[in-house]
Amino acid sequence: QIQLLQSGAEMKKPGASVKVSCKASGYTFSSHDISWVRQAPGQGLEWMGWISLHNGITNSAQKVQGRVTMTTDTSANTAYLELKSLTFDDTAVYYCARMAAVNAFDIWGQGTLVSVSS
Amino acid sequence: SYDLTQPPSVSVSPGQTVSITCSADKLGETYVSWYQQRPGQSPVLVIYQDSKRPSGIPERFSASNSGSTATLTIGGTQPMDEADYYCQAWGSSTGVFGTGTKVTVL
Repeated sequence: QIQLLQSGAEMKKPGASVKVSCKASGYTFSSHDISWVRQAPGQGLEWMGWISLHNGITNSAQKVQGRVTMTTDTSANTAYLELKSLTFDDTAVYYCARMAAVNAFDIWGQGTLVSVSS
Repeated sequence: SYDLTQPPSVSVSPGQTVSITCSADKLGETYVSWYQQRPGQSPVLVIYQDSKRPSGIPERFSASNSGSTATLTIGGTQPMDEADYYCQAWGSSTGVFGTGTKVTVL
């Protein structure tokens, strides 16, 4: 069974950093790139960035550029998203998604709630 | 990059057909995917490469993309199709989602 299993909910203070993990199983991890998508409470989906499993190249949305780091550990079949300098506006459910044909997101993680509160 | 505009909501009676649009300048020049998200759940891919259905997605889901508009159509809508739907495309290696459409099955 192909799945992406994400780490648990996080509660952070403004200015802190958070690192979310996404462990893949059921397929060859290195064969598919990973994107990160977030969804603020009651809002729509927002693409955050993408990492190539082929060469580690990343590209992120302008809104989070400079604050986001995407990495992978192929030995652990795991992708990571780190977001720094958190603000209240970063409160959201964060999803990892496998990129398949023509870069559609065919498998999604269950989501990780990151709450930023003082 | 694109700004993908969708109607905020549409309603449909069970068994009827509903269409959701996704608009952006020259959208037809790139591939569009569509995602279904039920409350409290992760999104699910229902259409990729403009009109292709992944394995397991019912045939009542169809789509097209031409000019400046992509359209998702649900034929013979069922109560289980009540959800939020998002279009998605790529521009300059940047992903973008549409504003989302809530489909209500009355």
